[in-house]
Amino acid sequence: DQQVKQNSPSLSVQEGRISILNCDYTNSMFDYFLWYKKYPAEGPTFLISISSIKDKNEDGRFTVFLNKSAKHLSLHIVPSQPGDSAVYFCAAGEKLTFGTGTRLTIIP
Amino acid sequence: DGGITQSPKYLFRKEGQNVTLSCEQNLNHDAMYWYRQDPGQGLRLIYYSQIVNDFQKGDIAEGYSVSREKKESFPLTVTSAQKNPTAFYLCASSIDLRENEKLFFGSGTQLSVL
Repeated sequence: DQQVKQNSPSLSVQEGRISILNCDYTNSMFDYFLWYKKYPAEGPTFLISISSIKDKNEDGRFTVFLNKSAKHLSLHIVPSQPGDSAVYFCAAGEKLTFGTGTRLTIIP
Repeated sequence: DGGITQSPKYLFRKEGQNVTLSCEQNLNHDAMYWYRQDPGQGLRLIYYSQIVNDFQKGDIAEGYSVSREKKESFPLTVTSAQKNPTAFYLCASSIDLRENEKLFFGSGTQLSVL
């Protein structure tokens, strides 16, 4: 049973535009959510997180929105840059349950 | 320079052979984890350890074994009982096991079957 889902396996966005990556979860006990970015043949690196007591957290070009009633979170990247091309994972829970990832490609 | 070191970067296993993947961290973290990544799938938890001499099975522990004799080290053995071992293996650590602690990952080991 997939507790964390990323339904879009891939996304292509023009450079300079907004990238929106989505994540849904089923476990209402999750209180903390994280986004990781991963390049090929490397380990994921932490990008941004959000606690369930907030509905938005911003860090530079990256903003994460949380909608607890819908059990949905999204990552916004504005403006998108070529170096943002990577696989993005959302994760939640004490031992981190990961989504299947979304491959983001920024088109120059 | 603090971090997590995984070795080797590439590893090949023959049928019926056990192989061990190394993971060392110098971040002074209590918790360590092993994940497996398959193409098109997320990271799935194999084993985790909250403290020295203690470890717990994750979601896909069958065919794997671990040890945690030192805080810095959490080696993973892929046994011959693991019938589909080809995957990218990632080791991670965190300060402790609390939900809001972010994980730091190593650079991974690609295991392939000959």
